Amino acid sequence: ETGVTQTPRHLVMGMTNKKSLKCEQHLGHNAMYWYKQSAKKPLELMFVYNFKEQTENNSVPSRFSPECPNSSHLFLHLHTLQPEDSALYLCASSQEPRGGHTEAFFGQGTRLTVV
Amino acid sequence: GIQVEQSPPDLILQEGANSTLRCNFSDSVNNLQWFHQNPWGQLINLFYIPSGTKQNGRLSATTVATERYSLLYISSSQTTDSGVYFCAVEPYGSGNTGKLIFGQGTTLQVKP
Repeated sequence: ETGVTQTPRHLVMGMTNKKSLKCEQHLGHNAMYWYKQSAKKPLELMFVYNFKEQTENNSVPSRFSPECPNSSHLFLHLHTLQPEDSALYLCASSQEPRGGHTEAFFGQGTRLTVV
Repeated sequence: GIQVEQSPPDLILQEGANSTLRCNFSDSVNNLQWFHQNPWGQLINLFYIPSGTKQNGRLSATTVATERYSLLYISSSQTTDSGVYFCAVEPYGSGNTGKLIFGQGTTLQVKP
């Protein structure tokens, strides 16, 4: 148990569906992240939020839409995905980066399959 | 951007053996972490080690920031150590976003 919880753990969706991934952290952190892990590739950063504000978008297609209503919750809204978007999506949190200690803790991930 | 290279890519050990995993990075970093990814995809924090040496049970890690590498030592390996080990760095001057750049990982299999 890392203090970061993701739901659902598994998701199968069609290319015309709309779904959302949820992440919640119980660590009192102020920064939250979405990473994508595709088969045979290293983890790739998608989005960074600090104090609910998006501070990084790593050229992610608009079919992925993040939302951070408060420092404890992070969502990833999905629509009109492609089969190549099938991957493990991991959420992480850390203390606010300018504070110096930025150890990140990860959730269990959502394994997404687009059919 | 910064490059993170891990070696070896794959490693097979007999239970009880020792091993060393290496992480090289191409530029200065603010922070460095080692993770173990279990078969269910969960990333387990092993070390937060931007510099120096730390030990936790059978595992230890050393980062030499000036020479841009980190080592993870596993002693007396057990079958439960199997999985993928990732090194991840926060590039220096990345705007303090806290973002991590991951290496490709080392896949470890420990045989009984």
